[in-house]
Amino acid sequence: GQNIDQPTEMTATEGAIVQINCTYQTSGFNGLFWYQQHAGEAPTFLSYNVLDGLEEKGRFSSFLSRSKGYSYLLLKELQMKDSASYLCAVLISGNTPLVFGKGTRLSVIA
Amino acid sequence: GAVVSQHPSRVICKSGTSVKIECRSLDFQATTMFWYRQFPKKSLMLMATSNEGSKATYEQGVEKDKFLINHASLTLSTLTVTSAHPEDSSFYICSASLASSTDTQYFGPGTRLTVL
Repeated sequence: GQNIDQPTEMTATEGAIVQINCTYQTSGFNGLFWYQQHAGEAPTFLSYNVLDGLEEKGRFSSFLSRSKGYSYLLLKELQMKDSASYLCAVLISGNTPLVFGKGTRLSVIA
Repeated sequence: GAVVSQHPSRVICKSGTSVKIECRSLDFQATTMFWYRQFPKKSLMLMATSNEGSKATYEQGVEKDKFLINHASLTLSTLTVTSAHPEDSSFYICSASLASSTDTQYFGPGTRLTVL
């Protein structure tokens, strides 16, 4: 089966940096996505990695190592509004459903 | 960017009634749409994959006669929860995929269903 692991909860301080890790073992790989989901809302797209390396987009960066089956989402200069769940998801192949991890609930405290 | 809408955003119904939820891709054609369900503090659970013009593919454990999916056009998919029960109360989210196989999925805003 498909397996995607990420920590259940994390807490970080406003203004700090936090790294949310994701490891995956899947039958195929056609890209890894990170989504942000605030309570009661639908997920919103943050990033997509299909090649190894770091993709930077403002305060958010995402890293991928395909050989290690590993990705992380890096959030810099944390703000209170960054408190949300962060979902790691793998696209197995083509136009197939994403396989989601259980999500990491991030709490940003003052 | 690609926009996906859902209607209604919130619905309350009586047990035994049917509820239809619409998912529309507003500025692109979606050959494939996905329906997810999410219970409080849980991750997204894929219910079915909907391809335009063909029957939906349901995940194991999802009753196809209870959750009717119709994907009549490249911009519209509907999910009908038939004979709803309180345990069907959940957050239902659709997503749409662009024609390219490597494009991301864009999520609708979700529909919160409460069955009394």
